[in-house]
Amino acid sequence: EPEVTQTPSHQVTQMGQEVILRCVPISNHLYFYWYRQILGQKVEFLVSFYNNEISEKSEIFDDQFSVERPDGSNFTLKIRSTKLEDSAMYFCASSSKSSYNEQFFGPGTRLTVL
Amino acid sequence: AQRVTQPEKLLSVFKGAPVELKCNYSYSGSPELFWYVQYSRQRLQLLLRHISRESIKGFTADLNKGETSFHLKKPFAQEEDSAMYYCALSPSGGGADGLTFGKGTHLIIQP
Repeated sequence: EPEVTQTPSHQVTQMGQEVILRCVPISNHLYFYWYRQILGQKVEFLVSFYNNEISEKSEIFDDQFSVERPDGSNFTLKIRSTKLEDSAMYFCASSSKSSYNEQFFGPGTRLTVL
Repeated sequence: AQRVTQPEKLLSVFKGAPVELKCNYSYSGSPELFWYVQYSRQRLQLLLRHISRESIKGFTADLNKGETSFHLKKPFAQEEDSAMYYCALSPSGGGADGLTFGKGTHLIIQP
């Protein structure tokens, strides 16, 4: 069964550095999403992406964040100038056009900012 | 803005006992509601959605618009049901809407 994959599983970075989190959505899916979960808190929506552009973004998704689909398979989240409070699990998800509300999640990337 | 509330952080029941995980929501329109489950060391996965009106792994959930609730129920809990359960809401506008999640309920089924 196809699955969403994410790399790396754990990323450690220094405050102020840039990180890129990578996701490979399910191949025939057209909608892509990023969420984050700070330890002990709820899963929060960051951004959705469709047809090579941002479809919706939350208040969390400010100028520090950007997303890109650099090729036909990858979907990336870039965080510029990381802060301590960016430490969280970051989940990628994707959904198909016929069932766009059924989102399939990746295993997550744990980002630790020191 | 939409909101999902799961009042119980932790729920512990004995095997064979009924389970009810509570979820309340606030949203001005007609949302779509979901339950996601995360078993230990596994990814978030969709358990069920209200428009399907189906039973998955013995779980059911009915959308009550009057009470703005979407409680998850199972008549007889099994040990393998132990997991984190998240209620989530999506506006019904279609397209790439982000899900709004509750804080989750950790369900523990004791033998």
